Amino acid sequence: DAGVTQSPTHLIKTRGQQVTLRCSPKSGHDTVSWYQQALGQGPQFIFQYYEEEERQRGNFPDRFSGHQFPNYSSELNVNALLLGDSALYLCASSLGRQTEAFFGQGTRLTVV
Amino acid sequence: AQSVTQLGSHVSVSEGALVLLRCNYSSSVPPYLFWYVQYPNQGLQLLLKYTTGATLVKGINGFEAEFKKSETSFHLTKPSAHMSDAAEYFCAVSAPGGSYIPTFGRGTSLIVHP
Repeated sequence: DAGVTQSPTHLIKTRGQQVTLRCSPKSGHDTVSWYQQALGQGPQFIFQYYEEEERQRGNFPDRFSGHQFPNYSSELNVNALLLGDSALYLCASSLGRQTEAFFGQGTRLTVV
Repeated sequence: AQSVTQLGSHVSVSEGALVLLRCNYSSSVPPYLFWYVQYPNQGLQLLLKYTTGATLVKGINGFEAEFKKSETSFHLTKPSAHMSDAAEYFCAVSAPGGSYIPTFGRGTSLIVHP
């Protein structure tokens, strides 16, 4: 049983560019949450998707957007990249919105 | 709103010694509390969680934590450290009845010396 898978594992982008990160949830899970983990910090909640809709959002600007597909996989899009967007982006999936979440290994984004 | 404070960004112990990682929380309602572990270049793995009931919670890999409401604490312990325990540990809090979205602390790096 594959767990949460994220792609790509590493990515380097230039300031001002746009990036798309992808997440496939654990088999049987229908809810996906995204987190940003800056170096030396704990993960910060970006948003959560359930039934293809954004259900909750953390304190992140509109440059951060997402999508959930009918197969429950999800994308995180970041526009107009800033140097400060450099971080590990973690995806977590769960069954429903009130159960324990399982994390993927993350995508390391570097903005230069 | 909830928040978590992890005391000590780095904790160093000898192999076989007691591990104690400290976590204090702030919550306006009875909280759900979690400890996660993150190995280098990995995602987060849930070690243990407290929701309701018994205040002493046992987790994986020999770790346990005790919820102390009077002290607003949820410290993580392990009687005997192993080299493989070296990792980053995160305490997190969420509000019951919500969507299990945790607020994380800044993490404590556990260093284990041979």
